[in-house]
Amino acid sequence: EAGVAQSPRYKIIEKRQSVAFWCNPISGHATLYWYQQILGQGPKLLIQFQNNGVVDDSQLPKDRFSAERLKGVDSTLKIQPAKLEDSAVYLCASSPSGGETQYFGPGTRLLVL
Amino acid sequence: SQQGEEDPQALSIQEGENATMNCSYKTSINNLQWYRQNSGRGLVHLILIRSNEREKHSGRLRVTLDTSKKSSSLLITASRAADTASYFCYKAAGNKLTFGGGTRVLVKP
Repeated sequence: EAGVAQSPRYKIIEKRQSVAFWCNPISGHATLYWYQQILGQGPKLLIQFQNNGVVDDSQLPKDRFSAERLKGVDSTLKIQPAKLEDSAVYLCASSPSGGETQYFGPGTRLLVL
Repeated sequence: SQQGEEDPQALSIQEGENATMNCSYKTSINNLQWYRQNSGRGLVHLILIRSNEREKHSGRLRVTLDTSKKSSSLLITASRAADTASYFCYKAAGNKLTFGGGTRVLVKP
């Protein structure tokens, strides 16, 4: 069974630029999550999708972050404009249903200069 | 803030020893999960324990849950160098899903 795919794996941008991350979950998984993990901390949930609907986006900085899940499968997370404090690893995960075991992708490491 | 703080924040042990880490939480949960993260394999699920369960085992791992104290513990027995990683507890409470800050475990050969 293929795992969660993410791209790119690394990204370096300057502040005020925009960036987009892509995630392809495990086939058949209804729930998709985006997390932000700052070095030395646990992952922080940014947004949770159930199929193509948003379940929780309470910690998503909506003035600069946006996310969508196309046709309930792939998802993209965008930051525009980026700030220095956005430097982190962005993790995508999927699960068959919400609140159950999650399967994580390798993450995208973002550095904002 | 991250609900469910792990204790201790860091742990250093010799290979072959046991390692115990704890997780506390504040609100009622549906289930509690433990994950491991190291540089080689990313974030990997270890064990899920439901609110009506008290103990679960998986290989050298044992997880307990005490809902009256709102706490869980993860025990790694006969540790190996490959167990060096950060361990996170994760709480599912309704629609609220949160990771703790993690326990960094170093197993010395």
